[in-house]
Amino acid sequence: KAGVTQTPRYLIKTRGQQVTLSCSPISGHRSVSWYQQTPGQGLQFLFEYFSETQRNKGNFPGRFSGRQFSNSRSEMNVSTLELGDSALYLCASSLTGSEAFFGQGTRLTVV
Amino acid sequence: EDQVTQSPEALRLQEGESSSLNCSYTVSGLRGLFWYRQDPGKGPEFLFTLYSAGEEKEKERLKATLTKKESFLHITAPKPEDSATYLCAVEVSSGSRLTFGEGTQLTVNP
Repeated sequence: KAGVTQTPRYLIKTRGQQVTLSCSPISGHRSVSWYQQTPGQGLQFLFEYFSETQRNKGNFPGRFSGRQFSNSRSEMNVSTLELGDSALYLCASSLTGSEAFFGQGTRLTVV
Repeated sequence: EDQVTQSPEALRLQEGESSSLNCSYTVSGLRGLFWYRQDPGKGPEFLFTLYSAGEEKEKERLKATLTKKESFLHITAPKPEDSATYLCAVEVSSGSRLTFGEGTQLTVNP
């Protein structure tokens, strides 16, 4: 079966712009989580959505937001981009809330 | 605060040389411990979930074990294709909120 699909794979944005990343979970999975991965901080939890509701949120500023649609697809938005937002953004889906399966990620570069 | 510490940070092995990676954790109520493998530029690939002390799981050359304070990932007779970063993560509350360690970068030389 198809895995977690993230689009786009690569993005280059300018400071101050905003960006929207997309994630299609594994069919039947209702939980979608987002993570930021950087060389210095490792993998850090951003937020989790389950049945269109944000169930969990990490310690990131309000510039980072997300949503989930009725078909479980999720989007993540970052406004007023900063250089430090450059990272690999990973989406993970799960059936029950455990055993998360990750997508290939979106590599965001802010210049 | 939940903490996950992996050691060593990097490990170089010769093909066939078995070894173990360590993941120690300090959490308030473990729901599950997860091991992932990550290749450069790719997302983490799920390997194992362990739920209780004493539990063991195996997959090919990998075996994961769990105690009340740490988990080990044993690699038996590794091959060059086992080279990757191995990540450990814990879940302590409902929902997919995983706290990750920094990872162990494994290199297996032919």
